[in-house]
Amino acid sequence: RKEVEQDPGPFNVPEGATVAFNCTYSNSASQSFFWYRQDCRKEPKLLMSVYSSGNEDGRFTAQLNRASQYISLLIRDSKLSDSATYLCVVLGSSNTGKLIFGQGTTLQVKP
Amino acid sequence: GAGVSQSPSNKVTEKGKDVELRCDPISGHTALYWYRQSLGQGLEFLIYFQGNSAPDKSGLPSDRFSAERTGGSVSTLTIQRTQQEDSAVYLCASSPDSSSRAQYFGPGTRLTVL
Repeated sequence: RKEVEQDPGPFNVPEGATVAFNCTYSNSASQSFFWYRQDCRKEPKLLMSVYSSGNEDGRFTAQLNRASQYISLLIRDSKLSDSATYLCVVLGSSNTGKLIFGQGTTLQVKP
Repeated sequence: GAGVSQSPSNKVTEKGKDVELRCDPISGHTALYWYRQSLGQGLEFLIYFQGNSAPDKSGLPSDRFSAERTGGSVSTLTIQRTQQEDSAVYLCASSPDSSSRAQYFGPGTRLTVL
């Protein structure tokens, strides 16, 4: 079983739609969680951290369910520019900062 | 300011040759990471440097892979006797320290082994 699992998609949605991505992780001791965004043939960039109480950044909302070891990302009012691969990321070790990446979920927003 | 830079951006080599990939982290960042991303796969951790501490090499796939970081700044990843399965994008990231939540990635080196 992979340490971080995501549905690879692709998710094809129209502009303005709301879309949600889910992710599960296997290590119950994990403490820190993130969503990164990766555009085609580009490097990953931090989108947002995920906090236990849930957090929002504009149109993006991240949720964490520790009991189910489940992380989600909700994007409201999708824009064409949101088209990218969204990587669910778990901190593998608090001592080293080693990140464990999911395979990514591809989002394509259509006009 | 300047971000993480990597060179070369692309490298094509023949099976069995050695290659060196370079990473220049963001100035002042003490933590440096190497990852690789194979086609259609997620990022795979390779090695981590933090200051003068011994590196965490737990992700290196074989003894053909090695890395060093000179003067706490520039890092080189060396792959000896390259194999076709080494073909991937090699990404370097840096962060202010190991406890920082944000890692900043370079553009990567796309390695193709023929």
